[in-house]
Amino acid sequence: GESVGLHLPTLSVQEGDNSIINCAYSNSASDYFIWYKQESGKGPQFIIDIRSNMDKRQGQRVTVLLNKTVKHLSLQIAATQPGDSAVYFCAENTPAGNQFYFGTGTSLTVIP
Amino acid sequence: KAGVTQTPRYLIKTRGQQVTLSCSPISGHRSVSWYQQTPGQGLQFLFEYFSETQRNKGNFPGRFSGRQFSNSRSEMNVSTLELGDSALYLCASSLGILDSNQPQHFGDGTRLSIL
Repeated sequence: GESVGLHLPTLSVQEGDNSIINCAYSNSASDYFIWYKQESGKGPQFIIDIRSNMDKRQGQRVTVLLNKTVKHLSLQIAATQPGDSAVYFCAENTPAGNQFYFGTGTSLTVIP
Repeated sequence: KAGVTQTPRYLIKTRGQQVTLSCSPISGHRSVSWYQQTPGQGLQFLFEYFSETQRNKGNFPGRFSGRQFSNSRSEMNVSTLELGDSALYLCASSLGILDSNQPQHFGDGTRLSIL
């Protein structure tokens, strides 16, 4: 099966600092990636996506970087706020595209 | 636009019973996928439905089944419930099929507890 793993299961940052959440994927054929945020008691919320023909994509306070050479994905959150505290998942899809594979998640805690 | 709606939010059943969960996708979305989320296994894909047809199925026993209606609403059924079926069941919808590189949007899930 696929393997989508996160380097750090937990991450604590001070409010106002930038956060970086990492994700390693195993299938070099994966061509579409999504970052999700999941708060307690809620379903995963779409944050940002990126296709393999790009190496960087920016949203509001978030940036996703894709390094296909080392099969690595990262999510950068600028000026982290207490409301950013949640579990973050990466998900990958391949051209065979039968399903998304999800990482195990990183728990982000923002310290006020 | 309303998001993905799942009902019920919470459910308690006993071993051996069966359960049906419901999902209403975002308006206009035709693909509905179901996932099981547990602390130990994370998000595991159950199946995807598109145009009332099951396109893909994950590695789950036949006790897990689903269907999709002509309005894209979907239900999943679990028969002969086991303790290990306790989990958060999530539904996600997207405009196109899973290999169309379009984002999936999730509902808040149904928390199923088996006693």
